[in-house]
Formats: sequence, structure tokens, C-alpha cells
Amino acid sequence: QKEVEQNSGPLSVPEGAIASLNCTYSDRGSQSFFWYRQYSGKSPELIMFIYSNGDKEDGRFTAQLNKASQYVSLLIRDSQPSDSATYLCVEGAQKLVFGQGTRLTINP
Amino acid sequence: NAGVTQTPKFRILKIGQSMTLQCAQDMNHNYMYWYRQDPGMGLKLIYYSVGAGITDKGEVPNGYNVSRSTTEDFPLRLELAAPSQTSVYFCASSYFPATYEQYFGPGTRLTVT
Repeated sequence: QKEVEQNSGPLSVPEGAIASLNCTYSDRGSQSFFWYRQYSGKSPELIMFIYSNGDKEDGRFTAQLNKASQYVSLLIRDSQPSDSATYLCVEGAQKLVFGQGTRLTINP
Repeated sequence: NAGVTQTPKFRILKIGQSMTLQCAQDMNHNYMYWYRQDPGMGLKLIYYSVGAGITDKGEVPNGYNVSRSTTEDFPLRLELAAPSQTSVYFCASSYFPATYEQYFGPGTRLTVT
């Protein structure tokens, strides 16, 4: 059974700093990965999608994938209080496997 | 577009009761999904559908049933509710394989007592 592991946190980062979120996955054959953001009491929303080794940047967000190490990360630059949420690392395509999420708090 | 809609938003059931959670999407997506999310945990797939008339089990299907008679609707049926089914239920849809992104409804918070 495929698994995605994340540190549940909470991770506390000062405003303006870089937040670094990490996850590992169990299936060496996994091809595509996502980061979903979930505000408290709300549904998940997609913020990044990555399927190639290396970095993918979108505004203040950078996703990193290392298939050899089976490791995915998300960097958030210039963190804002509005980035405070739970970040879900997700693997899959047709069907998704979710990590348990890392709760991130940005302190003003 | 309303996107993905779910009803009801909240529900309290007694042990042994049954209910249907409704889900509808107006984006003409082919794939639809039901997930449950327990407190402090990620989402677990209950059932999914690749098109009208076709459904398949996910990771945690026991105690649930689904049907998909139209592209738009994907109801989830709970039979003989148990306290272990207390959770938040999310419906999602996607237009696979054109896009891998899943669009989620607002969720139904269910308590079984």
C-alpha cells in the first residue's frame, strides 16, 4: 500500500522568513506529486504540481522533487500570515494518496 | 459555475441510522471521488467513479455504497451508521487525464452518536 509521510508539526515560522515543508513517499514508481493547502474548516485546494526531478517555481512557492531519495518538499518564500494552514503532500494521478498534513503557522 | 456542491453541511446521526450524502458538479468532469478526513489526518479515498455507471472501491469502502447514474451526481450512502464513521466527508471531481487537479466540495461534517 502506498504511503506518504509528513511531519504533522506544528511548524512555526516568522513572517517574511522561508517555510520549508517536507514529505517522503513509499512507492519508487510514483510519478506525480501535489501540494494542497487546507485552511481550518475548509476543503483542500491545489497550490503546486510536480512530476520531474528538480525544482518548480510558482510565485513565492517552490516545489522540489528528488525521486532517487523519494522526497518532496515545498518552500514558501516571504511567508505571510495568510499562509498559515495545513499543507498536504499528495502522490498519484487517477487516484491520490494523501499525507497527514503539516500544520504551518506564520507569526507576525 | 457552482463547482462541486455537497449537502448537507452538517448532520448528526444515531447509531444504526442510514443517510445519503449528496454531491454534484457542473464542470462536466468525468472522474468523481469521495474522501473522508478524520481529525488531524489526511484524506482517505472511500470510492471513486471514472464515469456514469462505473464505480470502484478506494482505501476505506466498508460501510459505504455509491452509485453514479449521471455525470453530474455522485451520492454516498451510509448504511447502519457507526461511531467510527464520524468524520468530515469531501467530494471531489477531476477531468482526468487532461488535468490531474481535483476540485473539492466544501465538505459534510458527520457525527454518529
